[in-house]
Amino acid sequence: RKEVEQDPGPFNVPEGATVAFNCTYSNSASQSFFWYRQDCRKEPKLLMSVYSSGNEDGRFTAQLNRASQYISLLIRDSKLSDSATYLCVVTGYNQGGKLIFGQGTELSVKP
Amino acid sequence: EPEVTQTPSHQVTQMGQEVILRCVPISNHLYFYWYRQILGQKVEFLVSFYNNEISEKSEIFDDQFSVERPDGSNFTLKIRSTKLEDSAMYFCASSPHRASSGNTIYFGEGSWLTVV
Repeated sequence: RKEVEQDPGPFNVPEGATVAFNCTYSNSASQSFFWYRQDCRKEPKLLMSVYSSGNEDGRFTAQLNRASQYISLLIRDSKLSDSATYLCVVTGYNQGGKLIFGQGTELSVKP
Repeated sequence: EPEVTQTPSHQVTQMGQEVILRCVPISNHLYFYWYRQILGQKVEFLVSFYNNEISEKSEIFDDQFSVERPDGSNFTLKIRSTKLEDSAMYFCASSPHRASSGNTIYFGEGSWLTVV
């Protein structure tokens, strides 16, 4: 089983649509969770951390279910500029301080 | 906003040659990292560095690779005897504290290495 697994994508959606990305992780001792965004051939950039209680940042909402080892990202009212690859990332003390990335899910928002 | 800078942005090298990728982490950060991303694949951890020594490395980071902080600002990745499969984007990153404690790590723009 992959350490971090994401929806394969790509997701092609019209502007204004709501889109949800799912992610599962295999190590139950993982402690920190993030969503990163990566544009083509660019560096990953932190989109948001994911907290147990769930958190929202504008149009973006992240949820964490530790029992199911599941993380989600919801994007509302998607914009053309949201087109990118979304990376699910986990880390934890027993993972040596390194970030473990999922394969990423590509999102393409069309006019 | 402070940023991690990397040089070169792109390097083409012949198989068997040695390559040094350079990074200047954010000045008050204590933890430094190298990651790589082969085209079309996921970002993979190579090594973390703290207090002038390697704190963790992945199975990818074998004897072909080494890291060094030669002065107070630079952090380098050396790849000896490059192979075709070393072709990838190499990202340097830094963080003020250990990444696993939930602290943000900041990535440089990457160095694209092509081995021919």
